[in-house]
Amino acid sequence: AQSVAQPEDQVNVAEGNPLTVKCTYSVSGNPYLFWYVQYPNRGLQFLLKYITGDNLVKGSYGFEAEFNKSQTSFHLKKPSALVSDSALYFCAVRWLSGGYNKLIFGAGTRLAVHP
Amino acid sequence: DGGITQSPKYLFRKEGQNVTLSCEQNLNHDAMYWYRQDPGQGLRLIYYSQIVNDFQKGDIAEGYSVSREKKESFPLTVTSAQKNPTAFYLCASKPGQALGTEAFFGQGTRLTVV
Repeated sequence: AQSVAQPEDQVNVAEGNPLTVKCTYSVSGNPYLFWYVQYPNRGLQFLLKYITGDNLVKGSYGFEAEFNKSQTSFHLKKPSALVSDSALYFCAVRWLSGGYNKLIFGAGTRLAVHP
Repeated sequence: DGGITQSPKYLFRKEGQNVTLSCEQNLNHDAMYWYRQDPGQGLRLIYYSQIVNDFQKGDIAEGYSVSREKKESFPLTVTSAQKNPTAFYLCASKPGQALGTEAFFGQGTRLTVV
């Protein structure tokens, strides 16, 4: 079955330090992978995506993610965390199922950046 | 402004009542989705629609119904058959069938059973 996993419920990091939010996936065929961010009581905002090509993709607000096919991972990274990056982060995967386009999400990882 | 509008932002339902959550988009997107968000469970797909007058059940469709009579609108009805409807509901849309396009989300409706 297709799935996406975020193994950490919460990630704590000090401001200015690098951050990583982990995501692994299980999809038959080529994966289409996405990262979204959610602030309290708000909808999700798109950060970045991997479709094909370069394994390192860059997105909004200085975030980037590295696609690793052998490890089936798509970890979100940022070289220097800001307090304003504190939010809930979701990894998502899209695939084609029976002619329909499905998108599923991981359980989310709460990022807390401390001053 | 282009975007997805969900209304109301907060909704209270009595036991046994049906309620309808509105989702409207002016992005000219073909596909629309409804997700339910519960703490610690991420987003779970309720229903999705790729074109007008067509929709498919997601992973947790029981107790919910939808319609897609217009491209811009994809209302979700939470029926009395949904035993635990208290949650945050998110509507999303995306253009066309391409797998690589990202979805755009509304600001959500928080439904509470009283």
